[in-house]
Amino acid sequence: QKEVEQNSGPLSVPEGAIASLNCTYSDRVSQSFFWYRQYSGKSPELIMSIYSNGDKEDGRFTAQLNKASQYVSLLIRDSQPSDSATYLCAGYTSGTYKYIFGTGTRLKVLA
Amino acid sequence: DADVTQTPRNRITKTGKRIMLECSQTKGHDRMYWYRQDPGLGLRLIYYSFDVKDINKGEISDGYSVSRQAQAKFSLSLESAIPNQTALYFCATSPPRGTDTQYFGPGTRLTVL
Repeated sequence: QKEVEQNSGPLSVPEGAIASLNCTYSDRVSQSFFWYRQYSGKSPELIMSIYSNGDKEDGRFTAQLNKASQYVSLLIRDSQPSDSATYLCAGYTSGTYKYIFGTGTRLKVLA
Repeated sequence: DADVTQTPRNRITKTGKRIMLECSQTKGHDRMYWYRQDPGLGLRLIYYSFDVKDINKGEISDGYSVSRQAQAKFSLSLESAIPNQTALYFCATSPPRGTDTQYFGPGTRLTVL
């Protein structure tokens, strides 16, 4: 099992809809989780971070963490064409102090 | 000014050449990282450093070396570049707490012919 896994997509949603992005992780990744948005050829930019079970909301974005099931998700409400990008899920490994990235999910928001 | 800078931003070189990619940061962070990104493979860790005297190999360190010249500078070298090292390279920094995000440089696009 990869330490952090994501569906590569593309995930296509119509403008205004909710986009749901999912990520699962292994036992080695346990402390903190991050969602980054990356436009083609650009550097990743932080969207949300989450450390505790439950939901965390910031504007149109909601991150959800379920440690028992080892998954973390990102919901984007009222999706806009400008949200079209690759979304990277990352976890922090407390044992080795490294950030482990998934391969990313490509999101397409259709106008 | 950007907090994390990388030079050069683009580089085209030939097989067998030695290449150095440089990273500088003004965040004051001790921890610095080098990643490469290939289409469909996400970010893969090459090397990381927790301070000037603490340098560690990541998952794909073969063919690469690094130098931490100061707290603010972390360089990545390709001793003898090969075509499969063609990729987008990112430098990142982070504070010591695992609850804090990494901060990424703008990236260097390297092409090895």
